[in-house]
Amino acid sequence: AQSVSQHNHHVILSEAASLELGCNYSYGGTVNLFWYVQYPGQHLQLLLKYFSGDPLVKGIKGFEAEFIKSKFSFNLRKPSVQWSDTAEYFCAVGDSGTYKYIFGTGTRLKVLA
Amino acid sequence: NAGVTQTPKFRVLKTGQSMTLLCAQDMNHEYMYWYRQDPGMGLRLIHYSVGEGTTAKGEVPDGYNVSRLKKQNFLLGLESAAPSQTSVYFCASSTAWTQYFGPGTRLLVL
Repeated sequence: AQSVSQHNHHVILSEAASLELGCNYSYGGTVNLFWYVQYPGQHLQLLLKYFSGDPLVKGIKGFEAEFIKSKFSFNLRKPSVQWSDTAEYFCAVGDSGTYKYIFGTGTRLKVLA
Repeated sequence: NAGVTQTPKFRVLKTGQSMTLLCAQDMNHEYMYWYRQDPGMGLRLIHYSVGEGTTAKGEVPDGYNVSRLKKQNFLLGLESAAPSQTSVYFCASSTAWTQYFGPGTRLLVL
């Protein structure tokens, strides 16, 4: 069955700390991977996406993610977080044809000023 | 360009009541989706549509019905609300891979 796992449910960091959020997927078809962010009180917006090619993808606001096929992972990273990165982050795998997503359970990140 | 809008923003229902949530998009997108978001469970797909007049079941379709009579609108119906349907409901639309989300509808079923 298709699934996405995010093992870190809550993460607390101080400003300037480095961030890595884990995402593992189980999917039998062509892998299309996404990270979305939901800032407090706002709707979800796309951070970055991976379809093929260079496994290191860069997104908005200094975020990047690395696709490691052998580990079925697509971890999100940021070298130095800011207070404004406080949000909930969702990893998703997309189904070719319908473009529907399967989301992970999300990781709540709190950045302390 | 309003993007994706949802009506209403918040609603309280009693068990057994019915209601319809409206999602509207002005981007001429073919694909539309309804999700529910519950603490610790992320977003789960309820129903989706790949074009006007078409609908399909997602991960958690039970207790919900949908209709897509016009390309720009995607309606989610609860025929007989249950407390387990207390949630935040998000609508999204896309032309392909990037989904654009609405602001959400918070539903409380007592």
